[in-house]
Amino acid sequence: DQQVKQNSPSLSVQEGRISILNCDYTNSMFDYFLWYKKYPAEGPTFLISISSIKDKNEDGRFTVFLNKSAKHLSLHIVPSQPGDSAVYFCAASLTGGGNKLTFGTGTQLKVEL
Amino acid sequence: DTAVSQTPKYLVTQMGNDKSIKCEQNLGHDTMYWYKQDSKKFLKIMFSYNNKELIINETVPNRFSPKSPDKAHLNLHINSLELGDSAVYFCASSRRGPGPYEQYFGPGTRLTVT
Repeated sequence: DQQVKQNSPSLSVQEGRISILNCDYTNSMFDYFLWYKKYPAEGPTFLISISSIKDKNEDGRFTVFLNKSAKHLSLHIVPSQPGDSAVYFCAASLTGGGNKLTFGTGTQLKVEL
Repeated sequence: DTAVSQTPKYLVTQMGNDKSIKCEQNLGHDTMYWYKQDSKKFLKIMFSYNNKELIINETVPNRFSPKSPDKAHLNLHINSLELGDSAVYFCASSRRGPGPYEQYFGPGTRLTVT
């Protein structure tokens, strides 16, 4: 039973345009959400997070939006750069859950010149 | 000055063998984790330790035994390796507390069992 889902296995975007990566979750107890970026043969790198008390968090080119009623979050990257090409994982956790992260299956983003 | 390091990066071994993977973090974190990424690229938690105390144990076969000699190290020992153990294993660490907190991952160890 996969509680965090990323339904798009891949996404291709032109350099300079916006990349939108989506993530859905089923467990309404999740109250903290994170995005990680992963290059081949490396570990996931933390990108940005959002608490369930917020609906938006920005950090430079990266913005995460949370829609609790729809159990949906998205990561916007603007403008997209070739170095953003990687696999993006969303993850969720809940307070008191031992900081256990439940990951989605990832979306491969390719930013083309 | 790598934050979370793992050794070895690649490990090829035969079925039935026993092997260990080491993990060290220099971030001063109290909590460490092991994750497994299977052939479908699904990342799933196996264990977590808070300052040498086991906190999470996610229905992992008891052939897998984590060992934390101190809060900066969390090693993973695997007995009687099976073909299905082939995967990439990631170590991670985070702050301790009510949280939740972001976790910082090591580069991974690719284990291949033949």
